[in-house]
Amino acid sequence: NAGVTQTPKFQVLKTGQSMTLQCAQDMNHEYMSWYRQDPGMGLRLIHYSVGAGITDQGEVPNGYNVSRSTTEDFPLRLLSAAPSQTSVYFCASRSDSTDTQYFGPGTRLTVL
Amino acid sequence: GQQVMQIPQYQHVQEGEDFTTYCNSSTTLSNIQWYKQRPGGHPVFLIQLVKSGEVKKQKRLTFQFGEAKKNSSLHITATQTTDVGTYFCAGPSYGGSQGNLIFGKGTKLSVKP
Repeated sequence: NAGVTQTPKFQVLKTGQSMTLQCAQDMNHEYMSWYRQDPGMGLRLIHYSVGAGITDQGEVPNGYNVSRSTTEDFPLRLLSAAPSQTSVYFCASRSDSTDTQYFGPGTRLTVL
Repeated sequence: GQQVMQIPQYQHVQEGEDFTTYCNSSTTLSNIQWYKQRPGGHPVFLIQLVKSGEVKKQKRLTFQFGEAKKNSSLHITATQTTDVGTYFCAGPSYGGSQGNLIFGKGTKLSVKP
């Protein structure tokens, strides 16, 4: 199993540009989530999904959209990037049987 | 709102010294999880504690869940350079999905050889 994969690993955007961060998992987990990590702020939940077709907002959802058309994929969209969205983004999926969250390797995003 | 707090924020130790990080929740938790993130890496699950007063050990790491299920600690005996990283505690987030976690801000451990 590859676990949770994320692409790209690094990205630089200009203010106002849009992009999609990709996330996929091959563990057949129903629950998936997106976090952002900023220095001194820990991990903050952006959006989450409890299954295909079902998404909801987390703690810091503004400026981000998500969709979940399949169990495997959970992309995160930035419609109009802002410098405040410079961060490291982690996707995670959760095991239904153990509650353990498995994190992807992260995407380091810089918005100029 | 619900909060999970960790102290200290940073800890610098000499190799061989012990290290402890503390986690406190504003609410009673059904369980608490600990994660480790190496520099430049991603959080990796270490352990989950469920029972009041539970103590679990993983080699040199000892995890404890408080009797009131509102606090937890991670103790590392005789630190090694491989212990370097940030340690996060996390508990279930109430009010949202059952799968949501709320993370502490982490304790960053550095070890001087």
